Amino acid sequence: EIVMTQSPATLSVSPGERATLSCRASQSVYSNLAWYRQKPGQAPRLLIYGASTRATGIPARFSGSGSGTEFTLTISSLQSEDFAVYYCHQYDNWPGTFGQGTKVEIK
Amino acid sequence: QVQLVQSGAEVKKPGASVKVSCKASGYTFTNYYMHWVRQAPGQGLEWMGIINPNNNNNTNYAQKFQGRVTMTSDTSTSTVFMELSSLRSDDSAVYYCARGMTTVRGWFDPWGQGTLVTVSS
Repeated sequence: EIVMTQSPATLSVSPGERATLSCRASQSVYSNLAWYRQKPGQAPRLLIYGASTRATGIPARFSGSGSGTEFTLTISSLQSEDFAVYYCHQYDNWPGTFGQGTKVEIK
Repeated sequence: QVQLVQSGAEVKKPGASVKVSCKASGYTFTNYYMHWVRQAPGQGLEWMGIINPNNNNNTNYAQKFQGRVTMTSDTSTSTVFMELSSLRSDDSAVYYCARGMTTVRGWFDPWGQGTLVTVSS
């Protein structure tokens, strides 16, 4: 089973600033990686798939990059609704596995 | 729009079973796999299994849940079900259904709103 490790566990950022989240896979998952945002009390929502493709309706401030074992989610200018927990998810190797999450909190 | 609507919260005693439903709309139900994912309080996401709604025999469960979980579908109502038996206190969690892709591997989009299952004596 592929282990996904996200860092940092918590990221403190001021509104309007940039946030950079990392996700590392224990072996290559090529570009088969997705990112989700989970607001408090809500279900996760797909942000990015294929490592860098924004899902329908996701604003351009979200961007994904990377391939192989190293991936990054960048939020260019944090809005109030972006203070949430973010999960990466590899779906290359069966079964898919999630990272433990990065919490983005207000600084 | 594509939507998944789950059944309401449940409170169960240890040793009992719970059955959660997930009704799909806005797309061709039988064309997409459905996954179940759970989230214990304050914890991350844990994949439980997958079902091909077109074929109740086409399921695959995480090893951790083998023997305790059963996923089924009803194509007449576009609904999938997840039943978990022999409940323990550490099964208390929010259970989500999430639409997968037309193949077994892929991302999850969208997710149901979640069903809180509380296991308590």
